[in-house]
Amino acid sequence: QKEVEQNSGPLSVPEGAIASLNCTYSDRGSQSFFWYRQYSGKSPELIMFIYSNGDKEDGRFTAQLNKASQYVSLLIRDSQPSDSATYLCAVSLSYNFNKFYFGSGTKLNVKP
Amino acid sequence: DAMVIQNPRYQVTQFGKPVTLSCSQTLNHNVMYWYQQKSSQAPKLLFHYYDKDFNNEADTPDNFQSRRPNTSFCFLDIRSPGLGDAAMYLCATSRVELAGRYEQYFGPGTRLTVT
Repeated sequence: QKEVEQNSGPLSVPEGAIASLNCTYSDRGSQSFFWYRQYSGKSPELIMFIYSNGDKEDGRFTAQLNKASQYVSLLIRDSQPSDSATYLCAVSLSYNFNKFYFGSGTKLNVKP
Repeated sequence: DAMVIQNPRYQVTQFGKPVTLSCSQTLNHNVMYWYQQKSSQAPKLLFHYYDKDFNNEADTPDNFQSRRPNTSFCFLDIRSPGLGDAAMYLCATSRVELAGRYEQYFGPGTRLTVT
């Protein structure tokens, strides 16, 4: 079973703080990892992807991957109210790379 | 700009009345997906096309069918919508390469209401 687990939240952080979102996955064949942001009533928007262990930074976003511990995280620095959304974690597998497996998402609230 | 387009953005249909949702893409991606997403849930994969090869998920109801007449277009047909089919329907595309590293992009979605 391909499980991707996320804390549903809501995670509340004050404006300007670092928001830390976590995701664990069960299949060790997972090879590609993605973070999507989804505003209420809108479609998911790809904001980060990571393929190798370690950190990947893009602006205020940092994705962290630890394959040994089977988790991937997303850090949002200097959080803004506009970051308030649901963040979906997704993985794809080395042996079935056509398919993406999604977590249920973590709702982030950034308070002014 | 290259993108994934879905039409219509909002669709209201009557119980049991067939409906077709469309998706087009200018990304020249070889894989196209249809997902169903209900409130506060993860997107649920219904099926996907890898080039012309159709891949149906085991738990996708027979009521849902799809067509991909060419690389750019894909359609979702719901033959007899029930109240439980009210949801956001998301089309997504991906370019699968030999390296197996690629990203998936979503269209804006179609919100389906069944009355």
